[in-house]
Order: sequence, then structure tokens, then C-alpha cells
Amino acid sequence: GAVVSQHPSRVICKSGTSVKIECRSLDFQATTMFWYRQFPKKSLMLMATSNEGSKATYEQGVEKDKFLINHASLTLSTLTVTSAHPEDSSFYICSARDTHRETQYFGPGTRLLVL
Amino acid sequence: GQSLEQPSEVTAVEGAIVQINCTYQTSGFYGLSWYQQHDGGAPTFLSYNALDGLEETGRFSSFLSRSDSYGYLLLQELQMKDSASYFCAVRAPSSGGYNKLIFGAGTRLAVHP
Repeated sequence: GAVVSQHPSRVICKSGTSVKIECRSLDFQATTMFWYRQFPKKSLMLMATSNEGSKATYEQGVEKDKFLINHASLTLSTLTVTSAHPEDSSFYICSARDTHRETQYFGPGTRLLVL
Repeated sequence: GQSLEQPSEVTAVEGAIVQINCTYQTSGFYGLSWYQQHDGGAPTFLSYNALDGLEETGRFSSFLSRSDSYGYLLLQELQMKDSASYFCAVRAPSSGGYNKLIFGAGTRLAVHP
């Protein structure tokens, strides 16, 4: 079946540093990828939609300069949390939509802890 | 605005049948999806309904009524491993000409022996 990978799976960083998270679709092309954030026992909140070759579309309330998204190829999107603070600690999940199907596949998530 | 309502918790015993309901109110609607998520894991796709009616996939079935803005996930022959959170998600249009998934708050299902 379709597989989406994320790297790293877990990261701890100091406040003020930047963290990059990679999302890859391994066996299909994804013109559209999505970045979600999930707090413990809560729902997935869509942060932004990443479109290959164009600018990301951010949801209301999400800071574009804080969460930089790049979708440079049909199989890779990156999310960079800039100048991370403890309140940015969360579970970040990417999702890739198979261009030829009506199905969205989720990555395993990245757990970010900012000290 | 966009909102999805589903029960926060459901408890059942092994072998039983459980139905998790979802009502939605969104700006635009393409279809209703269901995802399963175990603690600490990523959501896994269960089903997608774009048209009214019942879709069956093994022990899981999903139903949609577009006129009622309502759907449900039916889990039969419950097993302990089915204990997880279940999310309904609406596929709706987004700015820029694409579409996106909007998730409900999730229903935690606990299956007991």
C-alpha cells in the first residue's frame, strides 16, 4: 500500500532554534501534501496545504513566517518550525494525497519537544 | 464556519457492534472519510463516502446521507485491537482551488473483554 514517511520521528531542541521536518511519499506522486498539528487526545488541526511548485496555503491563525513550508518535488514537502518555543511542542503529522486517487495517506508523525 | 460533531467516547465488549455517528456543517462538501488512530500513532484511512449509501469493507462499514449532513461508521465483531480513536473528516474546498480534510474531535472507542 501507499506509504508516507516522516523524518525525524522525534526531536528535542532548545528554545530559539529552528527544526526541519521532512515528509516523503514513497511509492506515489503527491502534488498536494498537508501539514497537521495534534495535541494529546485532541483532533488533527490542519496548518497548511503544500502544493508542489507553488506557495503553501495556510489556515487562518497559522503564522506563515513561523511555519515555513516547501514542496520542492512531487514526493517531498518540508516544514520548518522557525525560532521554536515551548508552546510549539506538539505532534506534527504530514499527509500526502495520491494524485490519481481520492485518498490521503498519513505519515507516522514527528513529536517535537522544545525546551 | 466548519464543524463536525461526534461522540467523545464509546465503550463496548468484544464481539459486539458499535456505531459512531458524525454530523457536519461545512462550507462545501466533497465527501466524508473515517480514520483510525491508535495512541501515539498516525491516522490510518478506513473509508470514504462521496455518495449517499453504505460502503462495506470487511468488519467496517460507513454510511453517508448528504441531505442530512450525517454519516456513521459501523464496526462489527469488535476486537480488542479496535480500541482506538476514530475520526470523521470532511473533504471540503479550500482557497487556491484545492480541497482539504477537516477533522472532527474524534471518538475514543474502548473495547472490553
